[in-house]
Amino acid sequence: EAQVTQNPRYLITVTGKKLTVTCSQNMNHEYMSWYRQDPGLGLRQIYYSMNVEVTDKGDVPEGYKVSRKEKRNFPLILESPSPNQTSLYFCASSLSTGGGPYEQYFGPGTRLTVT
Amino acid sequence: GDSVTQMEGPVTLSEEAFLTINCTYTATGYPSLFWYVQYPGEGLQLLLKATKADDKGSNKGFEATYRKETTSFHLEKGSVQVSDSAVYFCALSSFPNQGGKLIFGQGTELSVKP
Repeated sequence: EAQVTQNPRYLITVTGKKLTVTCSQNMNHEYMSWYRQDPGLGLRQIYYSMNVEVTDKGDVPEGYKVSRKEKRNFPLILESPSPNQTSLYFCASSLSTGGGPYEQYFGPGTRLTVT
Repeated sequence: GDSVTQMEGPVTLSEEAFLTINCTYTATGYPSLFWYVQYPGEGLQLLLKATKADDKGSNKGFEATYRKETTSFHLEKGSVQVSDSAVYFCALSSFPNQGGKLIFGQGTELSVKP
């Protein structure tokens, strides 16, 4: 089954404790992206990757890191989480960016709470 | 910059009622337009899309027409069901593509009562 998986689905942590949210897709997609969803703000892009070893900042990258060492994986790293990073996070992938209307496939989401 | 504005929710309807969720956009390029749906506890799923002016996207009884003259992409359904209860997001992707980014509206929660 074609899908995007994320782990963990739920995470409660404390300020400053490094964490990683994993994302994996099995569709051989070139493009992957992370979004955060906050009430009243919709989804905002954090980082994206057009291919292996190619990553770039989205609209709200502060406090986050990513890496793309393999095509299928795109982990989101919070080196020193803060309470304002409490949010619902989604990973997404699509076949290509190429200006075309390619559908983005979303993972099930990771609900992160930072206390 | 590019942006999407949706009507605020929550929207509460009775089963079999007509649904309209308004969506307008601002974009400098030639955007493609999308409606995504998020069911409780799940990720977003593409509901329908339109890639150029006057295109109509449709799926599962939902429709939306890309209106360039009014910069709108309103979502409609003739007869809603309880199972349509979800959050609906209007989104655009611009050409030249800004890093593949989808720009989302704030979402509209729909609740359908039996």
